[in-house]
Amino acid sequence: GQQLNQSPQSMFIQEGEDVSMNCTSSSIFNTWLWYKQEPGEGPVLLIALYKAGELTSNGRLTAQFGITRKDSFLNISASIPSDVGIYFCAGRSGGSNYKLTFGKGTLLTVNP
Amino acid sequence: EAGVAQSPRYKIIEKRQSVAFWCNPISGHATLYWYQQILGQGPKLLIQFQNNGVVDDSQLPKDRFSAERLKGVDSTLKIQPAKLEDSAVYLCASSSTGRRSYEQYFGPGTRLTVT
Repeated sequence: GQQLNQSPQSMFIQEGEDVSMNCTSSSIFNTWLWYKQEPGEGPVLLIALYKAGELTSNGRLTAQFGITRKDSFLNISASIPSDVGIYFCAGRSGGSNYKLTFGKGTLLTVNP
Repeated sequence: EAGVAQSPRYKIIEKRQSVAFWCNPISGHATLYWYQQILGQGPKLLIQFQNNGVVDDSQLPKDRFSAERLKGVDSTLKIQPAKLEDSAVYLCASSSTGRRSYEQYFGPGTRLTVT
């Protein structure tokens, strides 16, 4: 089946630093989504991307749909302690099926 | 707008017992999903409903798992009998139709521990 590789697996940064993480696939995706999950909660949708090359922002978060359609990137600027959590990418391959394939997540820790 | 509701939030059972989880999606969302999330992994789709019909249940272990969405609104997921490897968080998600139909919104999950 389809697999998504997320990197890095974990990051430990200082408050105020910028963060970059990415997701790659061996196959093409038509939609990329980025979620954040905090302990004891379900994933929360951050950004949805629908077109190759698309760059979308949500506050301090910016995500890009790679032009090859096999990758996506998430950047967080000026990190704050509440950015702590696990960030998941998810991709949809196409057609009318809404099925998402999730990566294994990037664990972000922010040191105040 | 109320989010996806799930209950219970936590459940501890012994192996071979049965358990059921309930989900109420966001009002008006036609598509409902059940996911299993094992510690350290991303969510894995178990079953997808469109209204009260099953769209995809290819990864549902049908010998022990069952799910229904009888009236096209809320849904239940059942495990009978449970195994140790079923210990996981069970997430319910929903999505609307139309342009944003690929955006799935998740509930808080039910954490199941099988002993």
